[in-house]
Amino acid sequence: AQSVTQLGSHVSVSEGALVLLRCNYSSSVPPYLFWYVQYPYQGLQLLLKYTTGATLVKGINGFEAEFKKSETSFHLTKPSAHMSDAAEYFCAVSEDRGSTLGRLYFGRGTQLTVWP
Amino acid sequence: DVKVTQSSRYLVKRTGEKVFLECVQDMDHENMFWYRQDPGLGLRLIYFSYDVKMKEKGDIPEGYSVSREKKERFSLILESASTNQTSMYLCASSFEGSEQYFGPGTRLTVT
Repeated sequence: AQSVTQLGSHVSVSEGALVLLRCNYSSSVPPYLFWYVQYPYQGLQLLLKYTTGATLVKGINGFEAEFKKSETSFHLTKPSAHMSDAAEYFCAVSEDRGSTLGRLYFGRGTQLTVWP
Repeated sequence: DVKVTQSSRYLVKRTGEKVFLECVQDMDHENMFWYRQDPGLGLRLIYFSYDVKMKEKGDIPEGYSVSREKKERFSLILESASTNQTSMYLCASSFEGSEQYFGPGTRLTVT
C-alpha cells in the first residue's frame, strides 16, 4: 500500500505571498499523483494531476506542482496567494501505475489560511 | 459537466438505527468509493466497487456494508449506527485508474 505524507497540517501565508504545500509519497515506482482542494462544506475538487510526461504540472486557479522522482515528492505551489485560496488541500497517489481499480491514497490534508 | 450526487447533505440519526447513504454518478464510471472524513485524519476508505455487484473492503469497513445493484448507484449502509460513526461521508467515482470525482458529502450525526 502507498503512504502519503503532507508536511504541516496548517500553513498560513499573507495575501500575495508564495504558497508551498508539501507532499511526499512512499512508492519506489512513480504512481499517478493528484492534488485536491476542499472548500468549507463541500466535496473535493481536482486541482491538478500528474500521470506521465512533463514533470511540472499546471492546474486550476494558478496552482502548479512538480513531480520529483528522486525526492518522491509532489509539492504544490502558487506564486501569489489570494484570499479565495483559503481551503484544505489533499495530496493523493494512485494504487500503482496503470491500475484500473482506481484506488487513491490520501494524505491527511493541509489547511491553508490566507491573511489579508 | 460531471456530477456525483449524494442523497442528503445533513442527516441526524439515533444510535441503533439502520442508515442508508446513497450516491449516484452520471458519468458511466466503473469505480465508486465511499470515504469518511474526520478532522486530522484526512479521508479514510470504507469500501469501493469496481463493477456492478462487486465490492472491496477499504481500510475501515467495520460497521458498514455497501450495495451496488446498478452501475450509477453505490449505497453505504450503517447496519446499527453508533456515535463513533458521526462523520462526514464522501462518495466518489472514477474511470479506470484516473482521477476521482467527489460528491458534496453527507454530514451524519448519530445521537
